[in-house]
Parts: sequence; C-alpha cells; structure tokens
Amino acid sequence: DAKTTQPPSMDCAEGRAANLPCNHSTISGNEYVYWYRQIHSQGPQYIIHGLKNNETNEMASLIITEDRKSSTLILPHATLRDTAVYYCIATFRTGNQFYFGTGTSLTVIP
Amino acid sequence: GAVVSQHPSRVICKSGTSVKIECRSLDFQATTMFWYRQFPKKSLMLMATSNEGSKATYEQGVEKDKFLINHASLTLSTLTVTSAHPEDSSFYICSARDGNGAGETQYFGPGTRLLVL
Repeated sequence: DAKTTQPPSMDCAEGRAANLPCNHSTISGNEYVYWYRQIHSQGPQYIIHGLKNNETNEMASLIITEDRKSSTLILPHATLRDTAVYYCIATFRTGNQFYFGTGTSLTVIP
Repeated sequence: GAVVSQHPSRVICKSGTSVKIECRSLDFQATTMFWYRQFPKKSLMLMATSNEGSKATYEQGVEKDKFLINHASLTLSTLTVTSAHPEDSSFYICSARDGNGAGETQYFGPGTRLLVL
C-alpha cells in the first residue's frame, strides 16, 4: 500500500471550508484514496473515497490531482462537530487492509 | 446502513484472565473483518485480518496464540485476549468490509476499551 503523508494538525474557523491535504506520491494506478475521521474515543467514520475523479457526497468533497500524487478533502462548512483526527489511506480496492498513518488533527474554532 | 457494533464497549479484568470482544456487522454480510488496537494519542494499528470460515491472518509482531480470532459467521467475529496483562490495556477496534455498493469500504465499530489490572 502507498504511504500517505498528512500535516499533523490544522485549525479552521467554524463555518469556513476546511481543506485537508494528503500526499501519496507512490500511489499505484489501482489504489484508491480513502478518507476516515476519528472523533475522540470512537471508531473511525468513513467519509469518502475515490480513484481518479473528484468525488462529492453529503459529508465532503475529494479532489484528486491529475497525477494522483496528492488529494484534498474539503469539508465545505466546518462545524465544531467536525473536530477530529482525519486519516487519508491509499489502498487497493480488493483485499484492502488499511494501514493508518498519523493523520491530521483538525480543530474547528468557534 | 453499514453499521458495525462491538461488545462490550469497555471491560476491566484482572491480570491473567481472558477477555472476549465481539464484532458484528448489523445490516450487511462481511466475509472479511479486521481487528485494530490503538494506544493513547497514537494511530490505529492493524492486528489481524479475519476471514469467515478460515484462519485469521496476523500482522507481523502480533501473537496469534495471545489474540485468538474466530470468524464463525458472515456477521460475527470475535477477538479473545488470552492471559491478559496490563500492557494489553488498549482500545480495540474492529471493522467489517462491505463488498457491495460502497466499493468495498470498511466500516468501523465503536471500539472496546480494555483495562487490565
């Protein structure tokens, strides 16, 4: 599985868009990018995933660069409940073990 | 949909005893489940991959005789921590892979906090 690199922490003002970057420069053509978040003392929550096209759902948008070496998770209007550790994982779709990196601790500020 | 439950949510046990943790996929069938452990302020560490009807595959450094995994049905996997010691105290999290619809996404349980005295 490709290794991912994320900034350790970020702050975002409530109501603003939170843009969380992830580098996965060694990603292979068949590896997907998954995003999860973990609120303190809970299990990780699935957010979104994609292969090469940008994706959007009710929670977030995922922007993947054309060369697929990096991606950005966008929370369009951050709320205090979005304060969590966000993990970016690059893995194959089938037989996909997840190896978690250190993630980004996002703090949404009132 | 795609809900995974764990039981118990927290457990305290004496050193030397065994503890069983259950992981259930409530609204989908999961041929594969995964077990993780997480120490305070650390990331999740994959312990093992549990396949229904076959032996689990353990990650390097994880003792298979200490962490017994049974995946007897398509909705239930269990992790038994045998002869628990204080250093086994941790947050144990399971996940189940949904192979339909969501593109083989993993859904995580709420976790089980184990404290060994």
